[in-house]
Amino acid sequence: GDSVTQMEGPVTLSEEAFLTINCTYTATGYPSLFWYVQYPGEGLQLLLKATKADDKGSNKGFEATYRKETTSFHLEKGSVQVSDSAVYFCALWYNNNDMRFGAGTRLTVKP
Amino acid sequence: DAGITQSPRYKITETGRQVTLMCHQTWSHSYMFWYRQDLGHGLRLIYYSAAADITDKGEVPDGYVVSRSKTENFPLTLESATRSQTSVYFCASKASGQETQYFGPGTRLLVL
Repeated sequence: GDSVTQMEGPVTLSEEAFLTINCTYTATGYPSLFWYVQYPGEGLQLLLKATKADDKGSNKGFEATYRKETTSFHLEKGSVQVSDSAVYFCALWYNNNDMRFGAGTRLTVKP
Repeated sequence: DAGITQSPRYKITETGRQVTLMCHQTWSHSYMFWYRQDLGHGLRLIYYSAAADITDKGEVPDGYVVSRSKTENFPLTLESATRSQTSVYFCASKASGQETQYFGPGTRLLVL
């Protein structure tokens, strides 16, 4: 079935470092792809999304490009801040009721 | 307050007891969802509802019951709690035709 695999964490970076969190997917069709972020003690919030191949989603300095040829949707940020410390989830949405999430990657940014 | 709320935020119960987790949203979203979050598994869908009085199973429905008599509420009941149901439970909602789901703050449940 459709699924998402994302890199295992935790990831620890220093402030202003470059961030990449890898995400690959398996799907029979052309799903929409998402990154959600979960700050400590809170629910998930949509960070960015892309609905078709070659689309780039971006928000708050984060970017991810929908790569059909590599079935990937890697999350990147050029310069992380302490406030970016959170758990990041890659997800795919294939039909009206089916959102599949990756296991999550915990990011800690140290000052 | 506008948005999506869950209650209680924390719950401790014993094996075999019935527990109900509440979810309330003020957006009149037609779709509502229940997920459980476990380490190493991300979020897994338990049940969802497309509208009042319409519910359907997700990936891990066993041991859970849902109802949706009103659009704004979507309670999740564990009829006889087991230790394996210790988890963090998230409710979410979305509008029909839209992809983005909006999540509540979660309920942390411990079954002893």
